[in-house]
Amino acid sequence: GAVVSQHPSWVICKSGTSVKIECRSLDFQATTMFWYRQFPKQSLMLMATSNEGSKATYEQGVEKDKFLINHASLTLSTLTVTSAHPEDSSFYICSARRGTSTDTQYFGPGTRLTVL
Amino acid sequence: AQSVTQPDIHITVSEGASLELRCNYSYGATPYLFWYVQSPGQGLQLLLKYFSGDTLVQGIKGFEAEFKRSQSSFNLRKPSVHWSDAAEYFCAVGPYNQGGKLIFGQGTELSVKP
Repeated sequence: GAVVSQHPSWVICKSGTSVKIECRSLDFQATTMFWYRQFPKQSLMLMATSNEGSKATYEQGVEKDKFLINHASLTLSTLTVTSAHPEDSSFYICSARRGTSTDTQYFGPGTRLTVL
Repeated sequence: AQSVTQPDIHITVSEGASLELRCNYSYGATPYLFWYVQSPGQGLQLLLKYFSGDTLVQGIKGFEAEFKRSQSSFNLRKPSVHWSDAAEYFCAVGPYNQGGKLIFGQGTELSVKP
């Protein structure tokens, strides 16, 4: 149990276009989902926290208008990278949590975004 | 400021040898501590976690970790490494009063020699 999927697993897009990444909890309801960004050979950096039905909370330095997050249901959160540029190329990872802040976060496999 | 440090970027051990991955944290109160493993093409998998109680925590795949408050450390150990343990390992701190957000260390890449 506790499986989180991401779609697509990789995407290549042209500079200036927008890309949507989906994160789904397949066998549980996720009250909270997190979006991370990981650069090669580096750690995961939290971008934002989203709770179902409310606006996402972004970490300092993360552009809200660039990285749009929607948590429309208890099993789905989406990250849209708007007007993507090459510097947005990265590995994006989501995680989902059932209930309280001490519950385990379950991670998706990640999405590799390459902006040409 | 809250932070997690994994001093070793890359470690190579021989198969069957013991393993210890280091993790030090900086946090003002008792943290919630985690070890995750990341394999290529797969999501991060939780190996073990410490919230309270016994400071020696047992996890999956034969891993264990020991919380040492005096040293602000939470080192991961395994008595005998298998080739399939080769992966990236992340230590993380989860401050309770911030909605369960995780702060990750830089990661340690483990290579296993036959």
